[in-house]
Amino acid sequence: GAVVSQHPSRVICKSGTSVKIECRSLDFQATTMFWYRQFPKKSLMLMATSNEGSKATYEQGVEKDKFLINHASLTLSTLTVTSAHPEDSSFYICSVGQGASYEQYFGPGTRLTVT
Amino acid sequence: GQNIDQPTEMTATEGAIVQINCTYQTSGFNGLFWYQQHAGEAPTFLSYNVLDGLEEKGRFSSFLSRSKGYSYLLLKELQMKDSASYLCAVRGGSNYQLIWGAGTKLIIKP
Repeated sequence: GAVVSQHPSRVICKSGTSVKIECRSLDFQATTMFWYRQFPKKSLMLMATSNEGSKATYEQGVEKDKFLINHASLTLSTLTVTSAHPEDSSFYICSVGQGASYEQYFGPGTRLTVT
Repeated sequence: GQNIDQPTEMTATEGAIVQINCTYQTSGFNGLFWYQQHAGEAPTFLSYNVLDGLEEKGRFSSFLSRSKGYSYLLLKELQMKDSASYLCAVRGGSNYQLIWGAGTKLIIKP
């Protein structure tokens, strides 16, 4: 399967600042990437689907101006949490998929803590 | 609406067998997945079913009945390392998004 990395693995930031999370597909041309968030003991919640070279599709209830997604190449997607607040503290996970492939490959996740 | 149900938590004994059930109601069906997730880590793929029947892969097997909207994950010869959450996910439409269940936390006791 594909190897997906995320950076950083953990980040602590102050309320009001912005944080960028990178998701890289190391050996796989990812035309589609997915961003999830997960609260403790809860399941994955899809935030948005990003397609290389076009705008991301956000799920209902997810603020696109707060969670900026850029998928400028087949190997890199970034999620920027703007003006972070403590309620944005969560585990953010990206996954990649390509065309007819039925499996998603997950990155290791980024633990964001906003103080 | 779309809904996936699985038990919140299950407990089993090392060396035993456990079955984790998943029922779903989705608009369309293009496959059902089981993922394993250890605490603090990302999910890892376990199995995929798109046709009715049983798929066996080592100690893990997954079953699907599309007419019943039902699947189960069967874990045999349980090991302590199998303690994790098991997520059921369905690809419901024409895109590649997955609809996720809340996960079943499996606790293995010696």
